[in-house]
Amino acid sequence: QKEVEQNSGPLSVPEGAIASLNCTYSDRGSQSFFWYRQYSGKSPELIMSIYSNGDKEDGRFTAQLNKASQYVSLLIRDSQPSDSATYLCAVKVNTGTASKLTFGTGTRLQVTL
Amino acid sequence: GAGVSQSPRYKVAKRGQDVALRCDPISGHVSLFWYQQALGQGPEFLTYFQNEAQLDKSGLPSDRFFAERPEGSVSTLKIQRTQQEDSAVYLCASSRVGADTQYFGPGTRLTVL
Repeated sequence: QKEVEQNSGPLSVPEGAIASLNCTYSDRGSQSFFWYRQYSGKSPELIMSIYSNGDKEDGRFTAQLNKASQYVSLLIRDSQPSDSATYLCAVKVNTGTASKLTFGTGTRLQVTL
Repeated sequence: GAGVSQSPRYKVAKRGQDVALRCDPISGHVSLFWYQQALGQGPEFLTYFQNEAQLDKSGLPSDRFFAERPEGSVSTLKIQRTQQEDSAVYLCASSRVGADTQYFGPGTRLTVL
């Protein structure tokens, strides 16, 4: 079992719709959770971080965390064609000096006109 | 201010050649990370520095991979006797000490023929 799992997609949503991206993780010691956006041929760009159970909203983006279910999600409201990218879920286990991020394989999102 | 920079952006090597990839982190960022991203996959952790100390090298796939950061700023990832399976994008990221957010550079795309 991979440590961080995502559906690779592609997830296709029409412009203006809500895109829902999901991620599960296996290490219950995970304490920090991140969503990165990666356009084709570009480097990952952080869009959201979440640390406690519940929802966190930032503009059109909402991250949701459920530690009991080991589940993180990202909702994108009013999806735009410019949102078409691969979305990477990453988790961090805070163990002393260990600060590495463990990434999922990413979900490719396509927003259609 | 300037972001993380990496050079070269593209590198083509013949199998068996040695390569050196450079990373310039954001000024003042104590933590520096190297990740390897194969096509269609998420980034995978290679190694982590705090200042000049290499605190975690658990992700280096073999003893052909070596990283250094002698003065606590610029880092070099060296791959000896490159193999075709080393073909990937090598991403460098940096962060402030104790901070969760990692800022990624543009990556170096290595192709081994």
